[in-house]
Amino acid sequence: DAKTTQPPSMDCAEGRAANLPCNHSTISGNEYVYWYRQIHSQGPQYIIHGLKNNETNEMASLIITEDRKSSTLILPHATLRDTAVYYCIVRAGSLTGNQFYFGTGTSLTVIP
Amino acid sequence: KAGVTQTPRYLIKTRGQQVTLSCSPISGHRSVSWYQQTPGQGLQFLFEYFSETQRNKGNFPGRFSGRQFSNSRSEMNVSTLELGDSALYLCASSVSDTQYFGPGTRLTVL
Repeated sequence: DAKTTQPPSMDCAEGRAANLPCNHSTISGNEYVYWYRQIHSQGPQYIIHGLKNNETNEMASLIITEDRKSSTLILPHATLRDTAVYYCIVRAGSLTGNQFYFGTGTSLTVIP
Repeated sequence: KAGVTQTPRYLIKTRGQQVTLSCSPISGHRSVSWYQQTPGQGLQFLFEYFSETQRNKGNFPGRFSGRQFSNSRSEMNVSTLELGDSALYLCASSVSDTQYFGPGTRLTVL
């Protein structure tokens, strides 16, 4: 079962930063936070993941609170192509298997 | 590296038939997972194969089965198709902790 809570939808103006929140208050010490996005009817695309520290890559930044009960995905300069459903997932490392439990995600609409 | 490929991309079947979907993982990835996505239930985990063995299984009936070959390619089979099996079936391969998804197979059951 999904262990995360996300707002169902958000809007963001093109060129502005998009900040997508995720609540994972029951996260365990060995569980990672993953973010994926899915553009309509395509396969989910990996964005970023982290355990404790903040992470940044070419697509986004992931900010995890110190108590690890919530996180924020930041798209620094949103474009129209960032319109998608964004999924926040928590899961343990791959030694226990690679199943991901997806919630309902946040539908992000980037507005021109 | 080439991404995860799935064939066929689209499929139409009738109730009672069976179907086989194929997935070729990213080169070097030994784990392959399958998911079903429907508008009502969202993305749901079906099963995972690692080194030709099923390692995890989701909550789906026995009509859904899969296998993995020695080259890590995987197939999933759905027997006695029902209308509710209409969905996007997604395959993901992984090495270490990150899954990479294919484009999916859109199955329509009439």
